[in-house]
Amino acid sequence: GAGVSQSPSNKVTEKGKDVELRCDPISGHTALYWYRQSLGQGLEFLIYFQGNSAPDKSGLPSDRFSAERTGGSVSTLTIQRTQQEDSAVYLCASSLGTGYQQREQYFGPGTRLTVT
Amino acid sequence: AQKVTQAQTEISVVEKEDVTLDCVYETRDTTYYLFWYKQPPSGELVFLIRRNSFDEQNEISGRYSWNFQKSTSSFNFTITASQVVDSAVYFCALRSYNTDKLIFGTGTRLQVFP
Repeated sequence: GAGVSQSPSNKVTEKGKDVELRCDPISGHTALYWYRQSLGQGLEFLIYFQGNSAPDKSGLPSDRFSAERTGGSVSTLTIQRTQQEDSAVYLCASSLGTGYQQREQYFGPGTRLTVT
Repeated sequence: AQKVTQAQTEISVVEKEDVTLDCVYETRDTTYYLFWYKQPPSGELVFLIRRNSFDEQNEISGRYSWNFQKSTSSFNFTITASQVVDSAVYFCALRSYNTDKLIFGTGTRLQVFP
């Protein structure tokens, strides 16, 4: 079946602009996660959703970052007033269930964001 | 605090050599989960294995094997008879029973030369 998909695959934006990154999880997966991979920070957790709720937003680096999920499916990560330090690969993952019931997280190909 | 340490930044081997990637973790939880992911040059993280803290049996899958030792807080990954296609960055990760986020190590870049 189809895996996790993300769009766009690459995004170049000017400092100060807003960007939206999209994630389509595997069909039937109730949990969705956003991570960021950068040279300086490695792989860091940003936020996760169970259904449309976000029980853990602890990894969002600032209030310029927000995310939403609608219909228990597609999620959008929005970065406002982008800064150069936001340049990274943003990875989305999904899994069946959470907590004790969580299975493996399956990752999408990522969106490479470059802020100039 | 939870932490995953992959001390080997980069390993180079010649095809058919065996190679072991080290992973040491820190957690105060008694129930937790450990994972290995592979990130080939294409960039997509590929799930390899999940291990529960209460199951210390080692696992073998083809040329891959994993050695989980709670006494040393290690979850090492061995590739037997390595192949060029094994070249990738390998990440070890930890998840506590009561959270859903993965804590990743910094990764080990494996290069297998023909």
